[in-house]
Amino acid sequence: GIQVEQSPPDLILQEGANSTLRCNFSDSVNNLQWFHQNPWGQLINLFYIPSGTKQNGRLSATTVATERYSLLYISSSQTTDSGVYFCAVDDKIIFGKGTRLHILP
Amino acid sequence: DTEVTQTPKHLVMGMTNKKSLKCEQHMGHRAMYWYKQKAKKPPELMFVYSYEKLSINESVPSRFSPECPNSSLLNLHLHALQPEDSALYLCASSQGRTLAGGFSDTQYFGPGTRLTVL
Repeated sequence: GIQVEQSPPDLILQEGANSTLRCNFSDSVNNLQWFHQNPWGQLINLFYIPSGTKQNGRLSATTVATERYSLLYISSSQTTDSGVYFCAVDDKIIFGKGTRLHILP
Repeated sequence: DTEVTQTPKHLVMGMTNKKSLKCEQHMGHRAMYWYKQKAKKPPELMFVYSYEKLSINESVPSRFSPECPNSSLLNLHLHALQPEDSALYLCASSQGRTLAGGFSDTQYFGPGTRLTVL
């Protein structure tokens, strides 16, 4: 099956900093999503982005399907951005292990 | 309304109990999903319903029994669970499906049911 690798596994940043999270996948995919899971467990869909670039406020994402990776950019981090960021791919919605982000005030 | 609701929020049950988890959405979505998530791990897909028919079963033990009574409602019936089944159970929905029965667009997740099996 498809392997999904996310990096870095952990990230600690000061409020206001920018960050880039990466998702690599081992085979071509028709679907890719980025999620944020808050400390209470709620998963929020950030982007559905099988290819191309999308932006939503301080967040943007780019997927280069031919090179099998996706990037999530977070600018001007806020403490509410803390949590785990997952990418999920393929018809069977395979999740990566996530990047745990902690924003310090 | 982009909300998926799940009840109960918390559930504690013994290994001999029978209980059910409930999930509801009113977005007109035709694909619904159950996931299991252990602490500090990613969600793992259990079942997918597409147009009220079971389209994916990820080799889940028979002590978990899904049911989709209508396009808005998804249940997960639990019986004779083991302590290792303790986890966060998440429900999700999406508008479309692929030929394989999986998702084809944005998924919306409920808040989950935190299950403890004693």
